[in-house]
Amino acid sequence: EAGVTQFPSHSVIEKGQTVTLRCDPISGHDNLYWYRRVMGKEIKFLLHFVKESKQDESGMPNNRFLAERTGGTYSTLKVQPAELEDSGVYFCASSQVYGANYGYTFGSGTRLTVV
Amino acid sequence: KQEVTQIPAALSVPEGENLVLNCSFTDSAIYNLQWFRQDPGKGLTSLLLIQSSQREQTSGRLNASLDKSSGRSTLYIAASQPGDSATYLCAANPYSSASKIIFGSGTRLSIRP
Repeated sequence: EAGVTQFPSHSVIEKGQTVTLRCDPISGHDNLYWYRRVMGKEIKFLLHFVKESKQDESGMPNNRFLAERTGGTYSTLKVQPAELEDSGVYFCASSQVYGANYGYTFGSGTRLTVV
Repeated sequence: KQEVTQIPAALSVPEGENLVLNCSFTDSAIYNLQWFRQDPGKGLTSLLLIQSSQREQTSGRLNASLDKSSGRSTLYIAASQPGDSATYLCAANPYSSASKIIFGSGTRLSIRP
């Protein structure tokens, strides 16, 4: 079974530019999550999709961040325009069921550096 | 609001020692607690998942315990090896917000050969 795949693995962009991160969940996992870790902080929740619907987007920091999951398969997270404080590692995870006892499978993350 | 704390932030021990990593959480109303490992520049690898009804889980040299009443979980590593060096994170999945898991800040473990 393929795991959760994220790309790119690294991205360096200038302040004000746009970056799009992609996540491919484990096949058959309806639940897809985005998390991020900024320098020196804990890993924090951004949002949760159930299939193509946003179940919870309470962790999205501001309207510069846009997440989509067209067709309920892969997801993209766009940052536009990027700011310096957006630098960090963005993780994607998927699960079969949420709020239950199945746990999460995480991808390797995308390290975003905004200069 | 659920908060997860891990102490110590860093730990260095000689190879072969048994060790315990600690995790505490403020709200006992959780579905599960999960321990992860993160190697530098890599993603999160799930080590053990303890369901709310369980007291412990074991995988090889790893044993994780859960005491919801005291809001504590421990990860026991037996006969540590240099390859165990990594950051270990615990994360709680609260009833109050089933969509998300709440991470601790991690313990950076270094095993000295």
